[in-house]
Amino acid sequence: AQTVTQSQPEMSVQEAETVTLSCTYDTSESDYYLFWYKQPPSRQMILVIRQEAYKQQNATENRFSVNFQKAAKSFSLKISDSQLGDAAMYFCAYRSYTNAGKSTFGDGTTLTVKP
Amino acid sequence: DAGITQSPRHKVTETGTPVTLRCHQTENHRYMYWYRQDPGHGLRLIHYSYGVKDTDKGEVSDGYSVSRSKTEDFLLTLESATSSQTSVYFCAIREAGAYEQYFGPGTRLTVT
Repeated sequence: AQTVTQSQPEMSVQEAETVTLSCTYDTSESDYYLFWYKQPPSRQMILVIRQEAYKQQNATENRFSVNFQKAAKSFSLKISDSQLGDAAMYFCAYRSYTNAGKSTFGDGTTLTVKP
Repeated sequence: DAGITQSPRHKVTETGTPVTLRCHQTENHRYMYWYRQDPGHGLRLIHYSYGVKDTDKGEVSDGYSVSRSKTEDFLLTLESATSSQTSVYFCAIREAGAYEQYFGPGTRLTVT
């Protein structure tokens, strides 16, 4: 079974600064997807960024980028130029390439953005 | 936004009573999932469906059953609710071959 670990229950960042959220995972599969989701107080789950394991290039979406280290099974999220609206709970998730695409989520990191 | 709704959005029920939560989609997506989210935890998979009448268990399926008689509806039933099932329940959908799951707004269930 896959496991996903987020070792930082809480993080804070100053507005306009950069912050990195950590995620490690354990799997015996070679093909899979990794995701970062944002959950604001509204509870809505919002996809921030995804990474396919077969791609060596790190994914980037505007101010959000990842550092994907497949051998180390590490998948960190970097948020640049942090904004007040980035404050939320962030979840790292692993999804199997097969097996009906079942996902495993980490326990989350609460990000606070200070003005 | 993906067309996915959950009903009810909030429910308070007593221990031992049956409860059914409904997930409805208008996207005709193949896969549907039920998760629960508890404080300090991410989402944990309860059951999922890969087609009409095709369902399977997730990692926390004890005490829950599901049914999918139509593509658009995926029902989660607690046969006899317990206080440990107090949680926020999320439904998600995904098209075959697609990367992304789309999540519903969640249902907050309280079992007293």
